[in-house]
Amino acid sequence: DIRMTQSPSSLSASVGDRVTITCRASQGISSYLAWYQQKPGKVPKLLIFAASTLQSGVPSRFSGSGSGTDFTLTISSLQPEDVATYYCQKYNSAPYTFGQGAKLEIK
Amino acid sequence: EVQLVESGGGLVQPGGSLRLSCAASGFTFSSYEMNWVRQAPGKGLEWVSYISSSGSSIYYADSVKGRFTISRDNAKNSLYLQMNSLRAEDTAVYYCASGETGAFDYWGQGTLVTVSS
Repeated sequence: DIRMTQSPSSLSASVGDRVTITCRASQGISSYLAWYQQKPGKVPKLLIFAASTLQSGVPSRFSGSGSGTDFTLTISSLQPEDVATYYCQKYNSAPYTFGQGAKLEIK
Repeated sequence: EVQLVESGGGLVQPGGSLRLSCAASGFTFSSYEMNWVRQAPGKGLEWVSYISSSGSSIYYADSVKGRFTISRDNAKNSLYLQMNSLRAEDTAVYYCASGETGAFDYWGQGTLVTVSS
């Protein structure tokens, strides 16, 4: 099975900073990569699908890139409400594996 | 408005069984693939199982294969997860999830399953 590895597992940044989280697949998955945001105590929310397509209603400071095995989630200007854990997920074929998560905090 | 509402969680002893349900509304349930995803306390998301819109294709995570059974009733707009031979490590919040994009656009609020003696 394909493994999904995120880095870093946790990070701290200041409001206004540019933040980047990476996700690596152990085998190529084309662009079948999604990013989710889960705020503390809340249900996961789809941010990006097809590696770079922003889900409706998601702020434009979020962006995604990559294809094949290497993917990136970028927040262009960190806001206090972006404190959350971010997960990548492959969905080209089962199993629809998630990465281990990246916990983002504000400095 | 799309709604997914899970039910059926609770406390069960190791080796026991539980059946989860997910009631769908606000979309054409019979046209959508459905999934179960779980999250153990303080841990990450783990995909559990998938069922196609017709029910003809089904997949499971290795961790639950042979113990869990996914099913759906399109006439009742409902998804199910029959969980047998439960273990302590099955303790988690269980979410049903679906979507139009191929990823999981829609999530329920989750139902907590606790496996403990």
